Amino acid sequence: GQQLNQSPQSMFIQEGEDVSMNCTSSSIFNTWLWYKQDPGEGPVLLIALYKAGELTSNGRLTAQFGITRKDSFLNISASIPSDVGIYFCAGENSGGSNYKLTFGKGTLLTVNP
Amino acid sequence: NAGVTQTPKFQVLKTGQSMTLQCAQDMNHNSMYWYRQDPGMGLRLIYYSASEGTTDKGEVPNGYNVSRLNKREFSLRLESAAPSQTSVYFCASSKVADTQYFGPGTRLTVL
Repeated sequence: GQQLNQSPQSMFIQEGEDVSMNCTSSSIFNTWLWYKQDPGEGPVLLIALYKAGELTSNGRLTAQFGITRKDSFLNISASIPSDVGIYFCAGENSGGSNYKLTFGKGTLLTVNP
Repeated sequence: NAGVTQTPKFQVLKTGQSMTLQCAQDMNHNSMYWYRQDPGMGLRLIYYSASEGTTDKGEVPNGYNVSRLNKREFSLRLESAAPSQTSVYFCASSKVADTQYFGPGTRLTVL
């Protein structure tokens, strides 16, 4: 089956630092999504990307859909303690006829105040 | 709007016991999903229901059954629980595949 390789697995940073994480795949995806999971909660959608090359921001978060459609990255600027959590990338590649997402294994982010 | 709700939040079972995890959504979504989350494994799809009346296997369906009771509700059943099914279970729903909304999870321990 399809796989998403998400890196890094974990990050320990100081408050105020910028963060970058990415996902790569051997398969092409039509949609890339980034989710965040707070401790003890379910994942919440942060950003959705629909076009190759698209760059989208949501506050301090910026994500890009790679030109090859096989990768995506997420940047967080000026991190704060509430950024702590697990960040998942996910891809969808059927144009809507397949109802499934493929998830990466997550990046665990720890922010030291 | 409650979004996606799951019950129970926590459950401890003995090996061989059965139980049903309940999920309901109030967003009028067509599609619903069950995932399990294990450390270092990310989210793995167990079963999904693209629309009311249909269910399909995901990546890890063995040991589970599902029922799409109506458009709102999608339940997950463990007929004979095993320690390997200790996990956190998430239900999700979506109008289109690319925007899934997740419930708060059920933390299941099988002894």
